Amino acid sequence: GQNIDQPTEMTATEGAIVQINCTYQTSGFNGLFWYQQHAGEAPTFLSYNVLDGLEEKGRFSSFLSRSKGYSYLLLKELQMKDSASYLCAVMDSNYQLIWGAGTKLIIKP
Amino acid sequence: GAVVSQHPSWVICKSGTSVKIECRSLDFQATTMFWYRQFPKQSLMLMATSNEGSKATYEQGVEKDKFLINHASLTLSTLTVTSAHPEDSSFYICSARTSSGGDTGELFFGEGSRLTVL
Repeated sequence: GQNIDQPTEMTATEGAIVQINCTYQTSGFNGLFWYQQHAGEAPTFLSYNVLDGLEEKGRFSSFLSRSKGYSYLLLKELQMKDSASYLCAVMDSNYQLIWGAGTKLIIKP
Repeated sequence: GAVVSQHPSWVICKSGTSVKIECRSLDFQATTMFWYRQFPKQSLMLMATSNEGSKATYEQGVEKDKFLINHASLTLSTLTVTSAHPEDSSFYICSARTSSGGDTGELFFGEGSRLTVL
């Protein structure tokens, strides 16, 4: 079966760095996405990785290792507004997105 | 980026009534739109894939006669929850891709529609 695993909840301090991990097992791979979702709102796109390595975009970076079925989202200089759920999603061989359950990130002052 | 508009944002209805939710791509043509349902503290669950001009493809366990999907044009898809019951109360979200597969596949989401069935 297809499976996406990510921690349920994480807590970090404002100004610090946090890494949210995601492991996956899917039928085929056509890219991995990270989305941010604030409570009561629709997800917003953060990053897309299809090749191994690190993609940096401002305070957010995303890493992918296809051989390990592993990705992480790195958030630097955390701000209170970063408190949200972070969803990992993998596009399988049929170009369908398989979603993780999301990681709720709590930022403390 | 591309804009997807969803309406209404909030809807409260009585049990047994039907509710229609619209999803529009405002500045691009969406050959494929997706409908998701999200219960509190749970991940997005794909309900169906809607292709313009053809019947929607429903995920296993989703009743196609209860959740009617129409994708009559390249910019509009509708989800109708028929004979709604309290257990249908959820956050319904649509999304669209600017092209079908093979690209980054970035999805653009509507704002979501929160349905409460009394």
